Formats: sequence, C-alpha cells, structure tokens
Amino acid sequence: NAGVTQTPKFRILKIGQSMTLQCTQDMNHNYMYWYRQDPGMGLKLIYYSVGAGITDKGEVPNGYNVSRSTTEDFPLRLELAAPSQTSVYFCASSYSFSTGNYGYTFGSGTRLTVV
Amino acid sequence: KNQVEQSPQSLIILEGKNCTLQCNYTVSPFSNLRWYKQDTGRGPVSLTIMTFSENTKSNGRYTATLDADTKQSSLHITASQLSDSASYICVVRTGNQFYFGTGTSLTVIP
Repeated sequence: NAGVTQTPKFRILKIGQSMTLQCTQDMNHNYMYWYRQDPGMGLKLIYYSVGAGITDKGEVPNGYNVSRSTTEDFPLRLELAAPSQTSVYFCASSYSFSTGNYGYTFGSGTRLTVV
Repeated sequence: KNQVEQSPQSLIILEGKNCTLQCNYTVSPFSNLRWYKQDTGRGPVSLTIMTFSENTKSNGRYTATLDADTKQSSLHITASQLSDSASYICVVRTGNQFYFGTGTSLTVIP
C-alpha cells in the first residue's frame, strides 16, 4: 500500500491564481480529510468526506472547494488564491469516523506559498 | 471551549536523555486521546491512543499516560535518539470532533 499520496509537494501561486491539490489513498478508507497547518498552529480541518459523493465543511472552509467522485480521490481546489492561504496542507484518511479507535493516515503534505 | 494545550512549546535534549511532553485539554465529553509524531516536512504518524479507562500505554521507547480526572496526558520518551527529533502532537477526540494541540518541537542533539 502506498497509503495517502499528495501532489504536488511544493507550489508557489500568485494572488488570484487557481490550483488543485491532489490526494489519493489506496486503503479503501471511507473517510478523507483536508487540514491546513500554519506555523506554530495546530492542524485545522478544511473539509472532510464520509464517502464518495459526500462532503462537508470543517472549521476553515472559506476559499476552498472539494469533490469526492471516487473512494480513492479527494482533491482540494483553491479558486482565487490569497496570501492567507499560504500554509502546509495535509490530506488524511481513516477507516471509520465514528468508532474512535482508528487513527488517521496522513499524506506527506503540500507546502503552498501565495505571493 | 474545547481546547488542547501542549507544553513545552520546544525542547532541546542530549541524545540518550529522557524527556516528558505534556498535554492538557478541556475537551468534553472525552472519547480518546492520541499522540502523533510529525517529522519535518511529513504528515503526522500515530504513536499511541489512550481511551478513558487506560492510564498508561507504551510503544517502544514511548510511554503515554492519561489522567482523565485532571484532563492531562504526558508522553515520556526514554533514551532519546537523534531520530526522535520531531514535533509531537496531542489530539483529543469528542464524538466526531478532533481537537489538535499545537505540538511540542523536540530536538535531540548528539
């Protein structure tokens, strides 16, 4: 298993540009998540999905969109990049959201800089 | 307000020494608490999970403790190695919500 794979690893965007952060997992996990991690701050949930075709907002969804057309893929879309979106983005997946004793598997992260 | 606070913010220790990281939380009701290790530039990796009834759990050189009454957890690292240099993140779950601490940055020097 490759686990959770994120691409790209690094990206520099200009203000107003758009991009998609890719995330794919091969563990057949139903649940997938996008987090952002700002320097010195904890991870904050942007969006999550409980299965193909179902997505929901997390704590900081503004400026982002997601889709979940397959179990494996959960891309994160930035439509009009802003400097406040400079951060490290982590995708994660888990087998179950509600049973509690299963941990997340995280991707290696995408470092995004908006200039 | 549900919060998770970790201390110290950063720590530097000599290789071979022990250290203890703290996690205090106000999250309620409590489901479980998990410690993650995050290497620089990588995603977090789970070290251990503590449920309400568990006081101590070990994973190799890592030992986590939980006091559900005082809402405190600690992660003790024994005989530190250079590879232990990382951020250690405490995550507390309540229902379907997860609350992340800001982490402790540990640097182990030779």
